[in-house]
Amino acid sequence: LAKTTQPISMDSYEGQEVNITCSHNNIATNDYITWYQQFPSQGPRFIIQGYKTKVTNEVASLFIPADRKSSTLSLPRVSLSDTAVYYCLVGDRGFQKLVFGTGTRLLVSP
Amino acid sequence: EAEVAQSPRYKITEKSQAVAFWCDPISGHATLYWYRQILGQGPELLVQFQDESVVDDSQLPKDRFSAERLKGVDSTLKIQPAELGDSAMYLCASSLGDASSGYNEQFFGPGTRLTVL
Repeated sequence: LAKTTQPISMDSYEGQEVNITCSHNNIATNDYITWYQQFPSQGPRFIIQGYKTKVTNEVASLFIPADRKSSTLSLPRVSLSDTAVYYCLVGDRGFQKLVFGTGTRLLVSP
Repeated sequence: EAEVAQSPRYKITEKSQAVAFWCDPISGHATLYWYRQILGQGPELLVQFQDESVVDDSQLPKDRFSAERLKGVDSTLKIQPAELGDSAMYLCASSLGDASSGYNEQFFGPGTRLTVL
C-alpha cells in the first residue's frame, strides 16, 4: 500500500476554507485516494474518495492533479464541529485493508 | 441509520487480568475488522474476518490476543493477560466485503477505551 504524508496539524477559524494536502508519491495505477474523518472518542468515518481530477460531495471536495502524486481535501467554510483528525489513505478501490497514518489534526477556532 | 455496536464503551482493568470486547457489525456486512488505536496515532488493524474466517491477523499479538466470529455475525476480541501497553481504543468496523461493486467503505463503531493499571 502506498505511503502517505500529510501535515501533523492545522489551525483555522470558523467560516474559512481549509485545504489539507496529502503526498502519495508511490501511488499505483489502480489506487484510489480516500479520506476519513475522526472526531474525539469516535471511530473514523468516510468522507470522500477519488481517482483523478475533482470529486465533490455535500461535505468536501477532493482535488487530484494529473500526476496523482498528491491530493487536497478541501473543506468549505469550516465550523467548530469540523475539529477532528483527517486521514488520507491510498489503495485499490476494494480497499479491504486500511492503513492509517497519524493524520492531520484540524483545530477550528471561533 | 444502521451502526456498528460495541461494548463496553470503557473498561478499566489491572495488568494480568483478562478482558473481552464485543462487536455487532451492521447487518449484512460480511467483513469485520478489529483495530487498535493508541492515543495520538491512527488505527492499526489487528484482525480481519470474512464471514467467520480470519483473512488477516498478521498484526495480532497471538500470545495474548484472540478474536472470534463464530457465526459470522458478531465478534469478540479477548486479551489475556492484559499488559500496561495494551491501554488504547479498540475499534470495530464492518463492510459489505464486496469490492466488485465499488468502494468497500468501512463503518466504524464508537470503540472501547481500555485502561490497564
